[in-house]
Amino acid sequence: NAGVTQTPKFQVLKTGQSMTLQCAQDMNHNSMYWYRQDPGMGLRLIYYSASEGTTDKGEVPNGYNVSRLNKREFSLRLESAAPSQTSVYFCASNSFSYEQYFGPGTRLTVT
Amino acid sequence: QQQVKQSPQSLIVQKGGISIINCAYENTAFDYFPWYQQFPGKGPALLIAIRPDVSEKKEGRFTISFNKSAKQFSLHIMDSQPGDSATYFCAASPTSSNTGKLIFGQGTTLQVKP
Repeated sequence: NAGVTQTPKFQVLKTGQSMTLQCAQDMNHNSMYWYRQDPGMGLRLIYYSASEGTTDKGEVPNGYNVSRLNKREFSLRLESAAPSQTSVYFCASNSFSYEQYFGPGTRLTVT
Repeated sequence: QQQVKQSPQSLIVQKGGISIINCAYENTAFDYFPWYQQFPGKGPALLIAIRPDVSEKKEGRFTISFNKSAKQFSLHIMDSQPGDSATYFCAASPTSSNTGKLIFGQGTTLQVKP
């Protein structure tokens, strides 16, 4: 079991470029989440998907879009990257238990 | 708004000492309170969690104390070890929402000196 996997691990973008962060889980979990982690701010929820076919905004959704491609995969897209989106992005998943399982993160720098 | 407030932001403890991290919440609908541990370059992982029907939960050297009336909960790490050096996040969730969402605190960076 790989658990939650994320690609890429690192990415550098120029302002205005777009990219998609990929996340997949092999635990048959219903719910998936995207967070960003910034120093002193903790983990802030960007978007989540409570079940396949549904997505909802979290605390900081502006500038992002998501797609729940199937039960395993949940992607996060930045259409026009801004320096304020420099952060570490984590994907997580869970099912009926409230324990969330996190991926290893993607470190994104926007210049 | 910050629904879960965590303190201190950073903590330095000598090996063998007790590390204490505190969290306070506002939403009385919260009924699940986990603590996550994160090592550098890794994703957070669940350490221990408590529900409000008990005031304390202990797992090895880690204990959660919960005060429902004060809307506060804390993590105590007994006999702290250098291997405990990590970032710790408290979180809270209203399980009745059935979304599985967690609201995280700001995080505490713990350094345990040998």
